[in-house]
Amino acid sequence: DAGVTQSPTHLIKTRGQHVTLRCSPISGHKSVSWYQQVLGQGPQFIFQYYEKEERGRGNFPDRFSARQFPNYSSELNVNALLLGDSALYLCASSADGPYGYTFGSGTRLTVV
Amino acid sequence: GESVGLHLPTLSVQEGDNSIINCAYSNSASDYFIWYKQESGKGPQFIIDIRSNMDKRQGQRVTVLLNKTVKHLSLQIAATQPGDSAVYFCAERGSNYKLTFGKGTLLTVNP
Repeated sequence: DAGVTQSPTHLIKTRGQHVTLRCSPISGHKSVSWYQQVLGQGPQFIFQYYEKEERGRGNFPDRFSARQFPNYSSELNVNALLLGDSALYLCASSADGPYGYTFGSGTRLTVV
Repeated sequence: GESVGLHLPTLSVQEGDNSIINCAYSNSASDYFIWYKQESGKGPQFIIDIRSNMDKRQGQRVTVLLNKTVKHLSLQIAATQPGDSAVYFCAERGSNYKLTFGKGTLLTVNP
């Protein structure tokens, strides 16, 4: 079975641009969460979606938004990119919401 | 507030030794804890989890201990192998189903 898949794997953007990151959860998983991992630190929670509804939001500015589609895949959008947005963006899926989070390999975003 | 921290940022062991990685958490309301292993350039890989109604759980070569009295979590790896070298994170589940991660411990296994 395929795990959590994220695309693209790497991305370089210029300050002020917009970016869309994509995530496909494990088949049968209805919950998707997004995390930001800055080099040398642990992942920081951004959003969680369950059954296409936002169930949680971390301390990130409104430039960050996300959505979940009927097939449970998800997109993370970041507007007006800043240099500080450079990080590894991780997607995690789980079957029944609160337990068993499985992470993808992430998207490495570099803002120049 | 919620926070998870690690006592040791780095740990170096000899191949075949047992490793113990420790973690302190501050949110007494957290009900679920996970240990992840992260290799360079990869996403966190699930190792083992434990719910707050348990104090010990064993997997293959790994054991997690939870002490709710002192809000302490540990990961024990038996017969550590070079392939175990990675950064290990503990994470707690608090409000809004989010996971709060610590800073991580770098485990280095010397042959």
